Amino acid sequence: KQEVTQIPAALSVPEGENLVLNCSFTDSAIYNLQWFRQDPGKGLTSLLLIQSSQREQTSGRLNASLDKSSGRSTLYIAASQPGDSATYLCAVRVGFQKLVFGTGTRLLVSP
Amino acid sequence: ETGVTQTPRHLVMGMTNKKSLKCEQHLGHNAMYWYKQSAKKPLELMFVYSLEERVENNSVPSRFSPECPNSSHLFLHLHTLQPEDSALYLCASSRLGLADSYNEQFFGPGTRLTVL
Repeated sequence: KQEVTQIPAALSVPEGENLVLNCSFTDSAIYNLQWFRQDPGKGLTSLLLIQSSQREQTSGRLNASLDKSSGRSTLYIAASQPGDSATYLCAVRVGFQKLVFGTGTRLLVSP
Repeated sequence: ETGVTQTPRHLVMGMTNKKSLKCEQHLGHNAMYWYKQSAKKPLELMFVYSLEERVENNSVPSRFSPECPNSSHLFLHLHTLQPEDSALYLCASSRLGLADSYNEQFFGPGTRLTVL
């Protein structure tokens, strides 16, 4: 059974810092990996999707990497801003249209 | 409206009530999903509909009954719920295609359900 773990569970940093969020999964047989952002009480916003054949994806200040063989992904956020404060979720796609989610990293960026 | 919408955004119901959650997608997608998000637990997939047919039922109790009348609408009918069913219920949609490894899922804002 696929399990997804995110470390740390919570992170607090001052504005301007570069930071790394970690995601690990137990079964390397995945179709893709997706990083989401969730603001309190709201739905999920997709940030980046990495296909199983890819090593990384970039969007603005965000860069996500994937090492499928070791079951790891990282989300790098450059020059963090208070507006980046949210919970970040990673999810791996296993089987037909099925996503398995981690419990998330709650990020707080203080001015 | 664009994207994925859900109504109502908040719902409080008693254990004997019957209510329905509604999801609508305006993205031209042909797969829709219900997820449950409880406090301190990962999102759990409940149901998947592909081309309006249910293709996944992730061991969900029968007090939750999904309905997908067309590719743009998805409902979750609720009856005789328990307090532990209180959670954020999220709807998502995606495309289906030959390039099956794509199919990014887009989520609605969720319905916050409280069962008294």
